[in-house]
Amino acid sequence: DAGVTQSPTHLIKTRGQQVTLRCSPISGHKSVSWYQQVLGQGPQFIFQYYEKEERGRGNFPDRFSARQFPNYSSELNVNALLLGDSALYLCASSLGGNRGGNQPQHFGDGTRLSIL
Amino acid sequence: AQKITQTQPGMFVQEKEAVTLDCTYDTSDPSYGLFWYKQPSSGEMIFLIYQGSYDQQNATEGRYSLNFQKARKSANLVISASQLGDSAMYFCAMRETGTYKYIFGTGTRLKVLA
Repeated sequence: DAGVTQSPTHLIKTRGQQVTLRCSPISGHKSVSWYQQVLGQGPQFIFQYYEKEERGRGNFPDRFSARQFPNYSSELNVNALLLGDSALYLCASSLGGNRGGNQPQHFGDGTRLSIL
Repeated sequence: AQKITQTQPGMFVQEKEAVTLDCTYDTSDPSYGLFWYKQPSSGEMIFLIYQGSYDQQNATEGRYSLNFQKARKSANLVISASQLGDSAMYFCAMRETGTYKYIFGTGTRLKVLA
C-alpha cells in the first residue's frame, strides 16, 4: 500500500509569491495534518482536517490556508511568502474520528520549500 | 498548556548497547497519547511507538520500549541493541484526546558508533 505522498519534493520561490503544496493520505485515512519544520527544530502544527472540515489550527498567520477534498487529499496554500517560510512542510495522515487519540500519524517525505 | 521537553540535544551510543532518550511532558488533560518518531537525515518521519495515558503497561515494539512514568510525566524511549541505522533525530510528541494537534519536542540527535 502506498504511504502518504507529497508534491512537489522541492520548491524554490521568491518573497511575495504564493505556493500550493499537495498531499495524498494513506488509503482509508480521513484525517490530514500539516506541519512546518524549520531546520534544527521539531515540527510545528499548522492545520488538521477531518472529513473536509478544519479541526485544528496552530499559531500561524492567515497567509497560511488549507483545504481537504472529497477524496481526503489536501492542499496547503501560503500567500505573500517570507524568507522565514523556508522550511520542510510535512503532511501526515491518520484514520481520524472520535477515536483518533491513540492512532499514530503517518508522515510523507515532505516538501522542502526555499524562499529567495 | 501542552508542552514536550527533550533535554538531550545529542547522544552517542556504542553499537549493540542500549540507550535511553528522555522526554517529559506537561498537560492538564487526563487523556492523552504519547508518541515517538524517528527522522533520518533523509527527512521522513517514521512512527516508532505509542503509549496511552491509561495504559497500565509500558509499550514495546521490537527493540523499542517506552518507559512511562505517569506521576513524573515522563515517557522515555529505550532502544536496545543499537544499530548503525538507528543514527537519526528522535522526536517525542503528545496528542491530547480533546484536541486534534500533536505537540512535538525539539528532538534528540542520536549517533551510533561502530
